[in-house]
Amino acid sequence: EPEVTQTPSHQVTQMGQEVILRCVPISNHLYFYWYRQILGQKVEFLVSFYNNEISEKSEIFDDQFSVERPDGSNFTLKIRSTKLEDSAMYFCASSEALWQYFGPGTRLTVT
Amino acid sequence: GENVEQHPSTLSVQEGDSAVIKCTYSDSASNYFPWYKQELGKRPQLIIDIRSNVGEKKDQRIAVTLNKTAKHFSLHITETQPEDSAVYFCAASRKTGNQFYFGTGTSLTVIP
Repeated sequence: EPEVTQTPSHQVTQMGQEVILRCVPISNHLYFYWYRQILGQKVEFLVSFYNNEISEKSEIFDDQFSVERPDGSNFTLKIRSTKLEDSAMYFCASSEALWQYFGPGTRLTVT
Repeated sequence: GENVEQHPSTLSVQEGDSAVIKCTYSDSASNYFPWYKQELGKRPQLIIDIRSNVGEKKDQRIAVTLNKTAKHFSLHITETQPEDSAVYFCAASRKTGNQFYFGTGTSLTVIP
């Protein structure tokens, strides 16, 4: 069964550094999403992407964040200048219709 | 925007007993309600979902009910097993491509 994949599984970075989190959605899916989950808390929506543009974004997704689909398979989340409070598990998801399939996550630790 | 509340936050049951997790939502435009199971350190996995044109849906030991009028939906797990132990999240959405609004999660422990 096809799955969403994410790399790296764990990223440690210093405050103020840029990070890029990478995702490979399921190949026939058209909708892509990023969510984050701070340890012990609920999953929070960041952004959705369809037809090569952002279709929806939350208040969390400020100017420090950007997304890109650089080729036919990858979907990336960039955080330009990381803050301590960006430490979380970041999940990529993709969907063809209503069902959203989640990747295994990237644990981002900002020190 | 949508606000999804979930109760209880923790739930312990004896193996073989039933477990019920309840969620409420605020946006009457929400019409799709998935449930995810998340084991420690793993990705959330969809276990069952329900659309607003249906009141109940069942898949083996798992069932979900929806009351649109009251804006609440529930997950029912019967004959619980230790492998059901996980965090369960409810969510609400309006349509394909829209964000999921997640509840705060319920940590279910099934005691052998």
